[in-house]
Amino acid sequence: QKEVEQNSGPLSVPEGAIASLNCTYSDRGSQSFFWYRQYSGKSPELIMSIYSNGDKEDGRFTAQLNKASQYVSLLIRDSQPSDSATYLCAVNARNTPLVFGKGTRLSVIA
Amino acid sequence: DVKVTQSSRYLVKRTGEKVFLECVQDMDHENMFWYRQDPGLGLRLIYFSYDVKMKEKGDIPEGYSVSREKKERFSLILESASTNQTSMYLCASSLFMNTEAFFGQGTRLTVV
Repeated sequence: QKEVEQNSGPLSVPEGAIASLNCTYSDRGSQSFFWYRQYSGKSPELIMSIYSNGDKEDGRFTAQLNKASQYVSLLIRDSQPSDSATYLCAVNARNTPLVFGKGTRLSVIA
Repeated sequence: DVKVTQSSRYLVKRTGEKVFLECVQDMDHENMFWYRQDPGLGLRLIYFSYDVKMKEKGDIPEGYSVSREKKERFSLILESASTNQTSMYLCASSLFMNTEAFFGQGTRLTVV
């Protein structure tokens, strides 16, 4: 059974701080890694994808991947109250659907 | 922009009814998926399809069936709705199996 694990939170950070969200996965054959943001009552929206080891930056977001440690993280710089949401980590291996973690709830305190 | 559209935002159905949830995508994606999302359980895959008329069971297919007669449309069918099928249902599509999936707005189904 392929598993994706996330700390459920809530993770509380003050406005302007860096939020760090973590995810581990069990399948060493995993090749694609995604972070989704989900506001309460809404559907998940893609914010980052990463396919190779290292860092990938997009605006205030940085995704980090370490395949040897089976670990992927998301950093949010200069956190804003509008970043308060549940963040879902998703992973897949070749030709298999995405497997999602249960999500980490982030609360940014103004 | 990719658009995935689900036919209903909210539905209330009675126990035993046959329920159809429709999903349409406009980006010519090969793959389409149905998930349900419940508090504490996360997103769970019900069924997926990688081509027209092709379907594969996901992790929780019991009580559900699907239909994909056209590439852009993927339907989820609850043969006889039960109260334990009350949930948020999310449709998604992707170009390839290992690329990002895009979600519809979700259907919140309540079975009474």
